[in-house]
Amino acid sequence: EVHLVESGGGLVQPGGSLRLSCAASGFTFSSYWMHWVRQDPGKGLVWVSRIDNDGSSTSYVGSVKGRFTISRDNAKNTLYLQMNSLRVEDTAVYYCARDPGTGAKYHDYWGQGTLVTVSS
Amino acid sequence: EIVLTQTPLSSPVTLGQPASISCRSSQSLLHSDGNTYLSWLQQRPGQPPRLLIYKISNRFSGVPDRFSGSGAGTDFTLKISRVEAEDVGVYYCMQATQFPRTFGQGTKVEIK
Repeated sequence: EVHLVESGGGLVQPGGSLRLSCAASGFTFSSYWMHWVRQDPGKGLVWVSRIDNDGSSTSYVGSVKGRFTISRDNAKNTLYLQMNSLRVEDTAVYYCARDPGTGAKYHDYWGQGTLVTVSS
Repeated sequence: EIVLTQTPLSSPVTLGQPASISCRSSQSLLHSDGNTYLSWLQQRPGQPPRLLIYKISNRFSGVPDRFSGSGAGTDFTLKISRVEAEDVGVYYCMQATQFPRTFGQGTKVEIK
């Protein structure tokens, strides 16, 4: 069974940093693209970033470019999101999601999410 | 950036009756590889999103056949043939034809 478990969220001051992790199990992690998607409390979904299966290609939404870095460790079956220079508007639940990749391009499994709160 | 506009934003439905949600894109979602990367997700209260439909009309594993997707180009529809109590939640369309991937605003389905 596919499982995605996020961790690393919490309260951080504006300008601070956090690193989110997403531990994957139940599938061959290195065969899938992975994404981060966030959801402001009570609001809609916003795609944040994507990494291809071997980590050679990444993409970001404009509002986080230069501040967030997506990476993965296929040996540890883990996805990461390094978030620097955090802003109040980055406050959200962050989900990791799996994507079968080229020719597919959909998010078939999601984690439960981890809450990031940016506040002074 | 591609903008997806969903209508209606709220849909009160009687149990056993059909429901329909529209998703209109600001530009064609037909990819150069011939696929149209439009999917539908359901988010029940307090839960993460769940994939229902991918590439316009393909039901994901385990999704009941009362859910169906249709459309092409810029206009897409999710239909629930007979709404059940477990279908309450917010429904999102999402495009993956172009980066950044974008979502519709969400449509809240509730029981009358």
